[in-house]
Amino acid sequence: GAGVSQTPSNKVTEKGKYVELRCDPISGHTALYWYRQSLGQGPEFLIYFQGTGAADDSGLPNDRFFAVRPEGSVSTLKIQRTERGDSAVYLCASSLDSSGLANEQFFGPGTRLTVL
Amino acid sequence: ELKVEQNPLFLSMQEGKNYTIYCNYSTTSDRLYWYRQDPGKSLESLFVLLSNGAVKQEGRLMASLDTKARLSTLHITAAVHDLSATYFCAVALYSNYQLIWGAGTKLIIKP
Repeated sequence: GAGVSQTPSNKVTEKGKYVELRCDPISGHTALYWYRQSLGQGPEFLIYFQGTGAADDSGLPNDRFFAVRPEGSVSTLKIQRTERGDSAVYLCASSLDSSGLANEQFFGPGTRLTVL
Repeated sequence: ELKVEQNPLFLSMQEGKNYTIYCNYSTTSDRLYWYRQDPGKSLESLFVLLSNGAVKQEGRLMASLDTKARLSTLHITAAVHDLSATYFCAVALYSNYQLIWGAGTKLIIKP
């Protein structure tokens, strides 16, 4: 079956612009996660959805970052007034549920965001 | 605050050799994951370790968990070039969903 997909694969934008990054989780997975990975580092947690609601957005770095998942499937990460420091690979993952063995997270290929 | 430390961060080795990557974490957790990442690619799940003394093996890779020592190891036996990648460990917080990641171990295996 299809895995987690993310679009676009690459996004180059100018400082101050608005960007949207999209994630399509594995069908039937209720939990969805966004991470940010900088070069040479492990992923950094941003936000977690269980169904349509953001169960934990404690990892979002500031109020320029926002994410939605209106129908409990596709999610969009939105970044306003982008800064050069936002440049990173944004990873999306999904899991069947959020607890127990079903918590195993499956990752998409990521969106490489470059802010010039 | 949960911290996860991997070592070494970089490892270059010859084919056929054995080596171990270590993952230490700072507070109680009941779930530890190992992932592989190839350059420019996403993360591939390798192992999920759930309990003290858990050991899992897949091919030339074997992972183990010691929850008392808060230590997991990923052992590579008779390394082959195809195992070259960056390996991450990730530890689940008590809430189960949030993963805290190590910095990764970049493994280069020379033919």
